[in-house]
Amino acid sequence: QQPVQSPQAVILREGEDAVINCSSSKALYSVHWYRQKHGEAPVFLMILLKGGEQKGHDKISASFNEKKQQSSLYLTASQLSYSGTYFCGTESRAAGNKLTFGGGTRVLVKP
Amino acid sequence: EAQVTQNPRYLITVTGKKLTVTCSQNMNHEYMSWYRQDPGLGLRQIYYSMNVEVTDKGDVPEGYKVSRKEKRNFPLILESPSPNQTSLYFCASSSTVEKEQYFGPGTRLTVT
Repeated sequence: QQPVQSPQAVILREGEDAVINCSSSKALYSVHWYRQKHGEAPVFLMILLKGGEQKGHDKISASFNEKKQQSSLYLTASQLSYSGTYFCGTESRAAGNKLTFGGGTRVLVKP
Repeated sequence: EAQVTQNPRYLITVTGKKLTVTCSQNMNHEYMSWYRQDPGLGLRQIYYSMNVEVTDKGDVPEGYKVSRKEKRNFPLILESPSPNQTSLYFCASSSTVEKEQYFGPGTRLTVT
């Protein structure tokens, strides 16, 4: 079963912040985040391996709440280059070595 | 340059005509995977391989076959394509330690 991402889409002005959530019904042991620009392949942003872990990539950061089976991606002071579709991917012991992606969140940053 | 290559990039074919989409990586990665991407459904895993001669089903394996005879190559085979397999296909690879997946450029397949 795919993790659920919310919101499905968000429109921002340059400099604004946004949060993308990823929830799973399964106990997770890792969460991946990828960004895909239109017409291109997904590109890795970060992976969180432990509950409570937080990571950052430029002004994009993420957290992983293992108990709630959730992860959140934070876009801070958004830039035009942040536009694209963001996918979370989850690994769970129940699913073996499969990486299961959510349906994606489309982000549009306007000037 | 570290990369994952896929061929062909675009393919239009007819129902029932067997086809193979090739995938190759030059990073000595153990793990390789195939995904299909359809609007609103994100990326769904078709098959994956943990290493040579080790393959396993993903979430949507029906109608597809794979093989992993060499570490660098992981072809996707559609023995009898049907219109519902019209999609954008991505191959990806990663090391089993780093886990960061590198994606190929994608293959857009249309089955009429």
